[in-house]
Amino acid sequence: GENVEQHPSTLSVQEGDSAVIKCTYSDSASNYFPWYKQELGKRPQLIIDIRSNVGEKKDQRIAVTLNKTAKHFSLHITETQPEDSAVYFCAAAQGSGNTGKLIFGQGTTLQVKP
Amino acid sequence: NAGVTQTPKFQVLKTGQSMTLQCAQDMNHNSMYWYRQDPGMGLRLIYYSASEGTTDKGEVPNGYNVSRLNKREFSLRLESAAPSQTSVYFCASSVGTAHQPQHFGDGTRLSIL
Repeated sequence: GENVEQHPSTLSVQEGDSAVIKCTYSDSASNYFPWYKQELGKRPQLIIDIRSNVGEKKDQRIAVTLNKTAKHFSLHITETQPEDSAVYFCAAAQGSGNTGKLIFGQGTTLQVKP
Repeated sequence: NAGVTQTPKFQVLKTGQSMTLQCAQDMNHNSMYWYRQDPGMGLRLIYYSASEGTTDKGEVPNGYNVSRLNKREFSLRLESAAPSQTSVYFCASSVGTAHQPQHFGDGTRLSIL
């Protein structure tokens, strides 16, 4: 079955710097990769997603890149702000994604220091 | 719109007790999911329902049962609670199954003594 590895587990940056979180997946049939942000004590919320027919997607300060050959995808946050501090989870759809089953990474705790 | 609503928010059980966690969505979504979240392990899928009338196992189904009561409601039952089931449980829903964002509820924090 699908396995998703996420690195680093913790990341601390200065406000204004960039942050990069990387994930690798094992199932070459996976074709949908969402990213979720979870603030302390809150629900996970989708921040960006990418499908396998696209190599990069950007939404303001957030971008995701996908390398299908290497089976890895990354989240890039530019000009970080204190409100970006949260736990970030990557996920990959199991198989072709038609079941809706997502396999999540272990999470990255991002701390943005003012 | 409330989105995805979970009840209760907190619960403490004794080993061996049973309990049902409730989830309802008002977004007319077809698919619903139950996850558990444990420290350092991300979110793991327990069961899901691709559409009304269907349910299927996820990664960690043992010790749980589910019921898709109607299109809006999807419940999770612990028949005989065990300390290993202490966790935060999240319900989620999506329009459909393929490549669709999942919307999460606020979670139920469950402790089993």
